[in-house]
Amino acid sequence: KNQVEQSPQSLIILEGKNCTLQCNYTVSPFSNLRWYKQDTGRGPVSLTIMTFSENTKSNGRYTATLDADTKQSSLHITASQLSDSASYICVVTALLTGANNLFFGTGTRLTVIP
Amino acid sequence: GAGVSQSPRYKVTKRGQDVALRCDPISGHVSLYWYRQALGQGPEFLTYFNYEAQQDKSGLPNDRFSAERPEGSISTLTIQRTEQRDSAMYRCAVTGFNYGYTFGSGTRLTVV
Repeated sequence: KNQVEQSPQSLIILEGKNCTLQCNYTVSPFSNLRWYKQDTGRGPVSLTIMTFSENTKSNGRYTATLDADTKQSSLHITASQLSDSASYICVVTALLTGANNLFFGTGTRLTVIP
Repeated sequence: GAGVSQSPRYKVTKRGQDVALRCDPISGHVSLYWYRQALGQGPEFLTYFNYEAQQDKSGLPNDRFSAERPEGSISTLTIQRTEQRDSAMYRCAVTGFNYGYTFGSGTRLTVV
């Protein structure tokens, strides 16, 4: 069964600290994996997209990793800021041609406190 | 509908002209579908995208119809050399994340 699981469900960290969010998936065949940041009341914004051959990709203070063998991805946030408080959602695309080839994680709710 | 706008609302064009219909979803709508609905009939599926990738274009009536979504957001449905039978309401629908299936208000195309 194709699934995407994220952990932790929620996380509270102090401003300036680093954190790592996890996304494990069982989607097959794999096409790509995207991390999104969704601020409360706003639409999700894409942070990174990773394909099978990519191990790591950075976008500012955000670094995503992908291990296609173990089907795990992580999103590392460095030197967190208050504005990083948001939900982080992992979306995996399968190499299928039907309508249901997108699989969404339930997200990690990150709260950065001063 | 909230979350997706279509333009123009109305388009009248002469037979043989090309038209471009636009669908502009808000951020986060991953999947985008194009439908058309002739007067008194149900919606007819044309094509759909996941992000920028066109997943299924089997519903496009012929090669005069094409669609694109180059950056995974705004989509354009283009009809070349329009014919009177192309007259219909063209609607796009979007979905993704925790957003439900949302239809735009449509473009009423009339070919004269």
